[in-house]
Amino acid sequence: GAGVSQTPSNKVTEKGKYVELRCDPISGHTALYWYRQSLGQGPEFLIYFQGTGAADDSGLPNDRFFAVRPEGSVSTLKIQRTERGDSAVYLCASSFLAGDSYEQYFGPGTRLTVT
Amino acid sequence: AQSVTQLDSQVPVFEEAPVELRCNYSSSVSVYLFWYVQYPNQGLQLLLKYLSGSTLVKGINGFEAEFNKSQTSFHLRKPSVHISDTAEYFCAVDNNAGNMLTFGGGTRLMVKP
Repeated sequence: GAGVSQTPSNKVTEKGKYVELRCDPISGHTALYWYRQSLGQGPEFLIYFQGTGAADDSGLPNDRFFAVRPEGSVSTLKIQRTERGDSAVYLCASSFLAGDSYEQYFGPGTRLTVT
Repeated sequence: AQSVTQLDSQVPVFEEAPVELRCNYSSSVSVYLFWYVQYPNQGLQLLLKYLSGSTLVKGINGFEAEFNKSQTSFHLRKPSVHISDTAEYFCAVDNNAGNMLTFGGGTRLMVKP
């Protein structure tokens, strides 16, 4: 079946602009996660949804970052007033339920470049 | 809080040789441990995981890892690597609630012919 998809695959934007990154999880997966992977580093947790609500947003770096999942499926990560330091690959993952027994399936990521 | 350290940023190895990728973690609670592989321009794929039970865990593609609680390690091994194993490997630990992963910095495995 289809895996986790993310659009766009690449996004180049100017400093100060607003961007939206989209994640389509695997059908039927209730848990959805966003991570950020900077060059040469491992992914870092941003936010996690169980259903429509953000269950843990402790990884969001500041209030310029926001994510939604209004219908419990597709999620959008929104970044306001982008800065060059926001440049990274943004990864989305989903799992059937939240919990250690449930594997997180990752999408290919969106590479964001802020010029 | 927990952290993960992958001691080698790059590991070059010849084809058919054995390899070990090292991972150490720190945590104040019992943990669950994972190894993921990332091929170029692809998403992370789970290789194996340790939740409980036997400390030797076998995964896909012939990889295995051993959980050592006293040394707080979870090293990944393969007895004979292939060119196709060239990729970035990430060790990760969960936060004991199953809703987020903390990753190490990654190890780039480079298999040479």
